[in-house]
Amino acid sequence: ELKVEQNPLFLSMQEGKNYTIYCNYSTTSDRLYWYRQDPGKSLESLFVLLSNGAVKQEGRLMASLDTKARLSTLHITAAVHDLSATYFCAVVLGNRDDKIIFGKGTRLHILP
Amino acid sequence: EPEVTQTPSHQVTQMGQEVILRCVPISNHLYFYWYRQILGQKVEFLVSFYNNEISEKSEIFDDQFSVERPDGSNFTLKIRSTKLEDSAMYFCASSREEVEQYFGPGTRLTVT
Repeated sequence: ELKVEQNPLFLSMQEGKNYTIYCNYSTTSDRLYWYRQDPGKSLESLFVLLSNGAVKQEGRLMASLDTKARLSTLHITAAVHDLSATYFCAVVLGNRDDKIIFGKGTRLHILP
Repeated sequence: EPEVTQTPSHQVTQMGQEVILRCVPISNHLYFYWYRQILGQKVEFLVSFYNNEISEKSEIFDDQFSVERPDGSNFTLKIRSTKLEDSAMYFCASSREEVEQYFGPGTRLTVT
């Protein structure tokens, strides 16, 4: 059974600081997604990582995937208050999107 | 920009009643999904649907649940006899290929 673990589950940080959220998963997968969720809202797709070594950047967020280590990271550079949200990684079981397992989410709170 | 829509936004029902949650996926998408999120918890996969049949389902998706694409535009999730523990946010998602799902705004289901 595929397990997806994120850490930390809660992160409070100051504006301007850098931090990394980690997503570990337990079985082979070469497809991973990062989503953002604001309170009471739906999931917004941030990154789609499709192969080992994939790195994608959008603004202050950068995501990477190491399929051999079964690890993805979401790095936040010079955090700003607007990035406060819950971030989920989601791992595809197998090679199709038929079944995606989400991590528990990392609640990020950025202090102004 | 096209988006996934869901109705109703909030549904309150009594235990034992049937509910139907409706979704209109993005028009040229071929893959459809339902997820649920119990308040404050992670997102859980329920079912995926392609070519008018279920392609994958989770342990949560038991005989009380069913999905249908009745008319080529709507995608519905039916819960035959709701239980208190069915109270959650239900998200519909769709994708054009088997990559990058787009999520709807969700339906909050409250079972009393």
